[in-house]
Amino acid sequence: DAGVIQSPRHEVTEMGQEVTLRCKPISGHDYLFWYRQTMMRGLELLIYFNNNVPIDDSGMPEDRFSAKMPNASFSTLKIQPSEPRDSAVYFCASSPPGELFFGEGSRLTVL
Amino acid sequence: ELKVEQNPLFLSMQEGKNYTIYCNYSTTSDRLYWYRQDPGKSLESLFVLLSNGAVKQEGRLMASLDTKARLSTLHITAAVHDLSATYFCAVSNDMRFGAGTRLTVKP
Repeated sequence: DAGVIQSPRHEVTEMGQEVTLRCKPISGHDYLFWYRQTMMRGLELLIYFNNNVPIDDSGMPEDRFSAKMPNASFSTLKIQPSEPRDSAVYFCASSPPGELFFGEGSRLTVL
Repeated sequence: ELKVEQNPLFLSMQEGKNYTIYCNYSTTSDRLYWYRQDPGKSLESLFVLLSNGAVKQEGRLMASLDTKARLSTLHITAAVHDLSATYFCAVSNDMRFGAGTRLTVKP
């Protein structure tokens, strides 16, 4: 298996623009997690899904953030409108359950 | 809400020395995970600890779990420069991570 695949790897956008981050989990994994990592706040859990159903979205910072998992092989994290404070590395991870397998991350810069 | 605390947050050590990183968590959990992150890279799984008293070793790293004390340790033996990285623990309840311990091993 190719592992967890995230795209884009790097995104630079201007404040107010919509940003969509994508994730393809490892086939057969039931859980999918979205994390955000910054120097100030560390690694924050944003939301996780079990069998495509959102289980805990308490970490989503505000209504500008939304996440979907329309099927077992694809998830998106959308920010609309984006703000400079959203600049971070966003990681997607999947698990069978148990041990997490991380993607390479999407580095977002909002100017 | 589950809280996961690691200490120290920063650790600078000489090659050849031993040290221990601690991970405390606030609610009952039966599983704990350790991950390593190199600068600019993703997180890589190191250890999966599945029960009270579990001990796992890989090279110069050894991890243990005490579920009664809600404590896990990551022990470094005879550190080498290649171990320089940030180490995270995570608790299985909802896979929340500690703040990480940034380890620097100096020659």
